[in-house]
Amino acid sequence: GENVEQHPSTLSVQEGDSAVIKCTYSDSASNYFPWYKQELGKGPQLIIDIRSNVGEKKDQRIAVTLNKTAKHFSLHITETQPEDSAVYFCAASMHQAGTALIFGKGTTLSVSS
Amino acid sequence: ETGVTQSPTHLIKTRGQQVTLRCSSQSGHNTVSWYQQALGQGPQFIFQYYREEENGRGNFPPRFSGLQFPNYSSELNVNALELDDSALYLCASKLSVGELFFGEGSRLTVL
Repeated sequence: GENVEQHPSTLSVQEGDSAVIKCTYSDSASNYFPWYKQELGKGPQLIIDIRSNVGEKKDQRIAVTLNKTAKHFSLHITETQPEDSAVYFCAASMHQAGTALIFGKGTTLSVSS
Repeated sequence: ETGVTQSPTHLIKTRGQQVTLRCSSQSGHNTVSWYQQALGQGPQFIFQYYREEENGRGNFPPRFSGLQFPNYSSELNVNALELDDSALYLCASKLSVGELFFGEGSRLTVL
């Protein structure tokens, strides 16, 4: 089955710096890769996703890149702000009825001002 | 705000007891999934329901069972609770192949 590895487990940056979180997946059949942000005491919130027919997607300060050949994808956050501090999870799936999201173990991002 | 609501938010049970967790899906979503999130880990897939039928299941024993109702709300039932069942249980809903939206979760503590 699918396995998703996520690195780093913790990341500390200064406000205004960029942050990059990387994930690798094992199943070449996976074609959908969402990223979730989870704040303390809350459920995961979808922040951006990418499908395997696209190499990069941007949404304001957030971008995701996908390398299907290497089976890895990354989240890039530019101009980080203290409110970006949270746990970030990557996930992979085949994005069809009945299939599940397989999550990485998460990255705790701390942005200090 | 995802429109997915779960109850209760917190509960404490003892080993061997049974628990029922409830979820109201986002309006119009016909698919509901349940995930277990242990402390410090990513969510793990328990099962998924589409139009009241289970159409996907993760590596969880049969004592984890569920229901989806005609209004697309859902229940997760866990029998014979074990200490390792202590976790945040997340409900998520979507259209059949759309983006998955999570609720805030039910925090279960088993003593």
